[in-house]
Amino acid sequence: SQQGEEDPQALSIQEGENATMNCSYKTSINNLQWYRQNSGRGLVHLILIRSNEREKHSGRLRVTLDTSKKSSSLLITASRAADTASYFCATHIIMDTGRRALTFGSGTRLQVQP
Amino acid sequence: DAGVTQSPTHLIKTRGQQVTLRCSPISGHKSVSWYQQVLGQGPQFIFQYYEKEERGRGNFPDRFSARQFPNYSSELNVNALLLGDSALYLCASSLAGGPNEQFFGPGTRLTVL
Repeated sequence: SQQGEEDPQALSIQEGENATMNCSYKTSINNLQWYRQNSGRGLVHLILIRSNEREKHSGRLRVTLDTSKKSSSLLITASRAADTASYFCATHIIMDTGRRALTFGSGTRLQVQP
Repeated sequence: DAGVTQSPTHLIKTRGQQVTLRCSPISGHKSVSWYQQVLGQGPQFIFQYYEKEERGRGNFPDRFSARQFPNYSSELNVNALLLGDSALYLCASSLAGGPNEQFFGPGTRLTVL
């Protein structure tokens, strides 16, 4: 089963607007990561927020984490057409073997209209 | 520096065949993970290797196997291919096996006919 689930599944906005994506997860975490994937290609790591952090910024990206609600949000400000991609949140879970596995949600597909 | 590389980029096989996918991690990275991504879904964890040892395995049948070589490159093998194995197979590397950011390769698109 998937640990993280993104919301909304799809989002369409105009260039210059802000885009907000949400992620909910089920178990306790060490950190939560956000990745971007352009159509049919590999994932690119965007930002990592640790469980003891509440907010983190990187350029036009702002990530928040609420461990009490087991949720995170990714805000992209002043969006550009090049931001069109799928965005995934990812967390590490402990498997039955005691090993960690990075698990992804099903993603938010963002379309930025020029 | 070169990123994570994967070969081949595309592959077409028929049901029942076997396939080997290859991955070279970023220089200095000792951990390699494999993921399967079916169209429209997020990546699903298959294996993680660190220092040539299997450190984790996802919920995949025994038809899936992998190994890591002394130079930290890795191979993913899938036997007795099924139509449902058609997917983008992603390899990711990281410095160590912990819960850190991972660097992904471009993937291998496998089509099973």
